[in-house]
Amino acid sequence: RKEVEQDPGPFNVPEGATVAFNCTYSNSASQSFFWYRQDCRKEPKLLMSVYSSGNEDGRFTAQLNRASQYISLLIRDSKLSDSATYLCVVLSGNTPLVFGKGTRLSVIA
Amino acid sequence: DVKVTQSSRYLVKRTGEKVFLECVQDMDHENMFWYRQDPGLGLRLIYFSYDVKMKEKGDIPEGYSVSREKKERFSLILESASTNQTSMYLCASSLNAGSGYTFGSGTRLTVV
Repeated sequence: RKEVEQDPGPFNVPEGATVAFNCTYSNSASQSFFWYRQDCRKEPKLLMSVYSSGNEDGRFTAQLNRASQYISLLIRDSKLSDSATYLCVVLSGNTPLVFGKGTRLSVIA
Repeated sequence: DVKVTQSSRYLVKRTGEKVFLECVQDMDHENMFWYRQDPGLGLRLIYFSYDVKMKEKGDIPEGYSVSREKKERFSLILESASTNQTSMYLCASSLNAGSGYTFGSGTRLTVV
């Protein structure tokens, strides 16, 4: 079983739409979670951490469900500039971060 | 802001050459990492280091080695480059085990 699984997409949505990505992880002892954004031919950049109580940063909302071992990212009022690949990332113990393969989002005018 | 600098953006090397990829970070981070990224395979960890002179194998260390003589510098070495090592190589650093990573802008290596 893969450690971190994401739907690869692509998700093609119109501007202004709300879109949600889910990610599942296999290690129940995982303790930290992140969403990274990667633009085409660029490096990944930290978008936001994911906290147990859920957290929001502007149009972005991240949720964690430990019982079901999944993380979600919700983007409201999508902009063209949101087009990118979104990587789900999990930390377990003192080991390096484990990255999902990413979900590609295209926001269309 | 933390800056992670990779010495080359693009490299073309011949099969059998020894290749050095350099990575330097300027924020006194303890941890440094080397990944490669290929279409459909995502980011795969090659080697990492949690301290100077320390190194640990990641998921795909075969054909690679690393050097961390100074805290700020983590070098990836391809002992004898092969065409299946053509890839995007990404270096990252983090302050400690629980913090997110900052990536360099990557080196796109082509082995011919």
